[in-house]
Amino acid sequence: KAGVTQTPRYLIKTRGQQVTLSCSPISGHRSVSWYQQTPGQGLQFLFEYFSETQRNKGNFPGRFSGRQFSNSRSEMNVSTLELGDSALYLCASRTGSFSPLHFGNGTRLTVT
Amino acid sequence: TQLLEQSPQFLSIQEGENLTVYCNSSSVFSSLQWYRQEPGEGPVLLVTVVTGGEVKKLKRLTFQFGDARKDSSLHITAAQPGDTGLYLCAGVDSNYQLIWGAGTKLIIKP
Repeated sequence: KAGVTQTPRYLIKTRGQQVTLSCSPISGHRSVSWYQQTPGQGLQFLFEYFSETQRNKGNFPGRFSGRQFSNSRSEMNVSTLELGDSALYLCASRTGSFSPLHFGNGTRLTVT
Repeated sequence: TQLLEQSPQFLSIQEGENLTVYCNSSSVFSSLQWYRQEPGEGPVLLVTVVTGGEVKKLKRLTFQFGDARKDSSLHITAAQPGDTGLYLCAGVDSNYQLIWGAGTKLIIKP
């Protein structure tokens, strides 16, 4: 069974630009969550989608948004990038609320 | 705001030594998960503990859930270089949300 796939693996953007990250969950997993990981702040929850609906949202500004498609694939968008947005962005899927998370290997975003 | 305090933040020991990582909270969790993350990869689930007082063993790793389901520990016996990584604990609250610890970066020197 294929794992969670995130693309691209690495991305370099300039301040003020916008970026879209993609995540393909494990087949059959309807829940997709996004996390931001930085050395100083650890793993920070961005949002979770289930069956195309945002179920939960973390404490991030409106520049961070996401969506989920009918095939459970998800995208995350960050607009007006700031230097502080440089981080590893992790996507995780699971079958439901009681299930553990299966993480992808992340997208390393660098904002210059 | 629920918090899960993980300690130590960083640990560097010699191969063969034992170590314990702690996750503590003032909140009660329905379950608690432990993950390990290696450089360049996402976290991978090691174990889920559900019942207060539960002890689970995974080869040289022993996981314990506190009786009151507010804390957990991970004990590694005879650590090996392959145990190197970032260890993360995550408590599942009453709304099925995951509350994450800040992580313990573990380095095992040969």
